[in-house]
Amino acid sequence: SQKIEQNSEALNIQEGKTATLTCNYTNYSPAYLQWYRQDPGRGPVFLLLIRENEKEKRKERLKVTFDTTLKQSLFHITASQPADSATYLCALPLWAGNMLTFGGGTRLMVKP
Amino acid sequence: ETGVTQTPRHLVMGMTNKKSLKCEQHLGHNAMYWYKQSAKKPLELMFVYSLEERVENNSVPSRFSPECPNSSHLFLHLHTLQPEDSALYLCASSQDLRGRVDGYTFGSGTRLTVV
Repeated sequence: SQKIEQNSEALNIQEGKTATLTCNYTNYSPAYLQWYRQDPGRGPVFLLLIRENEKEKRKERLKVTFDTTLKQSLFHITASQPADSATYLCALPLWAGNMLTFGGGTRLMVKP
Repeated sequence: ETGVTQTPRHLVMGMTNKKSLKCEQHLGHNAMYWYKQSAKKPLELMFVYSLEERVENNSVPSRFSPECPNSSHLFLHLHTLQPEDSALYLCASSQDLRGRVDGYTFGSGTRLTVV
């Protein structure tokens, strides 16, 4: 069945390093994919949307790639800061006409 | 404040109570959503409204009843809930259905505890 896979284990990195998070999906090739940030007890916050015809998208220290052949998106935070510590969710439609389905998220911990 | 306001922020209710969650957006968005987020589980879509019309109901038990009186307000009416319904309930809105333009805007959620 269609599903979204994000590493459920927390990613711990040192401040200043680049954090790279992975989102893999199966079967259907979505027209777009989104990334969100969620802090504990709060709703997710929309960060970036990348479309199938875009290989890469940037916003300040964030970069997202979208490889439709590998069925994978990578989310990078460069020059990471402790304030970047949060859970990051990817979301995409799992079939044509589907609403957004969210992955389970990966928790990022940036240590000073 | 994200532009989507949810009240109350916290709610404790007994299994025989009736309560309602409220969501309000003044972003001019045309679609609104209810999601459930349980501990260690992904967000689960419950209901979708587009231009005040329900377009999706993801096999949600009838003890959850949505209401969308206008494009700015969304309610989730709760009655005879079970302890396993305890979760963070999130409301979201988007300019277009499915958030293909600029994603979803979420509220801060209502933390519901059923005792």
